[in-house]
Amino acid sequence: KNEVEQSPQNLTAQEGEFITINCSYSVGISALHWLQQHPGGGIVSLFMLSSGKKKHGRLIATINIQEKHSSLHITASHPRDSAVYICAAPRSGTSYGKLTFGQGTILTVHP
Amino acid sequence: DVKVTQSSRYLVKRTGEKVFLECVQDMDHENMFWYRQDPGLGLRLIYFSYDVKMKEKGDIPEGYSVSREKKERFSLILESASTNQTSMYLCASSQGQGASYNEQFFGPGTRLTVL
Repeated sequence: KNEVEQSPQNLTAQEGEFITINCSYSVGISALHWLQQHPGGGIVSLFMLSSGKKKHGRLIATINIQEKHSSLHITASHPRDSAVYICAAPRSGTSYGKLTFGQGTILTVHP
Repeated sequence: DVKVTQSSRYLVKRTGEKVFLECVQDMDHENMFWYRQDPGLGLRLIYFSYDVKMKEKGDIPEGYSVSREKKERFSLILESASTNQTSMYLCASSQGQGASYNEQFFGPGTRLTVL
């Protein structure tokens, strides 16, 4: 089983700030997922990445496979970015896409 | 628009009741998952299914069972609900097997309270 650690667990920011959320995992993987969960429960996939960097709007995800580390960055943060951000890694030696999830980072952006 | 739906957003049951949580996906996905989410513990896998009538236990299967009679529908059953099963329950689906990079699509969640 892959152990996944996220930091920080809670993050408070002012609108416009640059935000970084970190994710470390214990076993080598082929790809890592970043998910977003808004209040009320629904979870959406933000990124799947296996190397380098991906960008979608103000969100940027990077991964360093050798160091087993990924970061999610939010540029020019906005109150609507307030959500729980979750990273997830595939379980080693498994098929069917089973994942191990980090505990999540609760982000609050104040206007 | 692809969709995973769950039968209830909020549910209140009494201890000892049998509880059914239904999940339906319209993407013809092979894999379906049931998770529970608790503060500080993150998402934990209860059961998953990789095909009709096929199922495997996840990390915390005790007190739960599942049923997958049709490809699009995956049901979670609490045989005798207990207060420690009060939680948010999330269903997800994904396509195919062997691919750790397959995106999982989540339902809106069911917040279950057992009194």
